[in-house]
Amino acid sequence: DGGITQSPKYLFRKEGQNVTLSCEQNLNHDAMYWYRQDPGQGLRLIYYSQIVNDFQKGDIAEGYSVSREKKESFPLTVTSAQKNPTAFYLCASSIEAGGGETQYFGPGTRLLVL
Amino acid sequence: GQQLNQSPQSMFIQEGEDVSMNCTSSSIFNTWLWYKQEPGEGPVLLIALYKAGELTSNGRLTAQFGITRKDSFLNISASIPSDVGIYFCAGLTQGGSEKLVFGKGTKLTVNP
Repeated sequence: DGGITQSPKYLFRKEGQNVTLSCEQNLNHDAMYWYRQDPGQGLRLIYYSQIVNDFQKGDIAEGYSVSREKKESFPLTVTSAQKNPTAFYLCASSIEAGGGETQYFGPGTRLLVL
Repeated sequence: GQQLNQSPQSMFIQEGEDVSMNCTSSSIFNTWLWYKQEPGEGPVLLIALYKAGELTSNGRLTAQFGITRKDSFLNISASIPSDVGIYFCAGLTQGGSEKLVFGKGTKLTVNP
C-alpha cells in the first residue's frame, strides 16, 4: 500500500537530549512537510522540502533541524534548543510544491519530555 | 501572515442532525481543503476544492469553495456517531513556496 509512515508512534525524551522523528513516503511525492500540533491549535509548519537536498524553514523552525537526502525520507530532529517540545508531530507530502497540490498526512508521532 | 478563522470551535449534536462549519479569511486562496482528524491520528483528507464556486460532495459531506475565494464551508448531513473528530479547513496559495494555512479546527461530538 502506498502511504506515509511515521515512527515511532510515541517518543519520550529526557531534557537536554536530541531526538529524531522518522517520516517515510512511498508515494513518489517531491514535497514533504513537518507540522507541529498543540491541543486546541491548528497545525503549524516547522520545515518543508520541495525537492531532494533542499529544505526551507516554516513558521516555527527554531530548535528543529531536518535533512532530505532521499526523496522518500524527511527526518526531523528535535534539538535540546527547543524549549517546549512536547507536542504531536505530523509529517505530510504532496506531489509537488507550488502547484496547488493536496497534502497527505502520516499518522503522527507524539513526543513527550520527561 | 495569512490566517483562517474557523467556526464554530466545537459542536455538540444529536445523531441524525445536520452539521455546518465554515472558514473565512481576509486572504485569497486557490485551493481549499477539508480534513478530519481522530484522536491520536493524522488528518485525513475529506474534500479538496480547486475552483471558486465549486460545490463537491463525498457521501454525506458537501463542501463549497466561496465565490470570493476567501471562504469555504463544510456540511455533514444525517450525522452518525463515527463522525466525531476534529475537522480542519486549510487554504493553499499557488505558486512559489507553497504553504498550507490551517484553521484551528471544529471539534464535533455526536450523541447517539
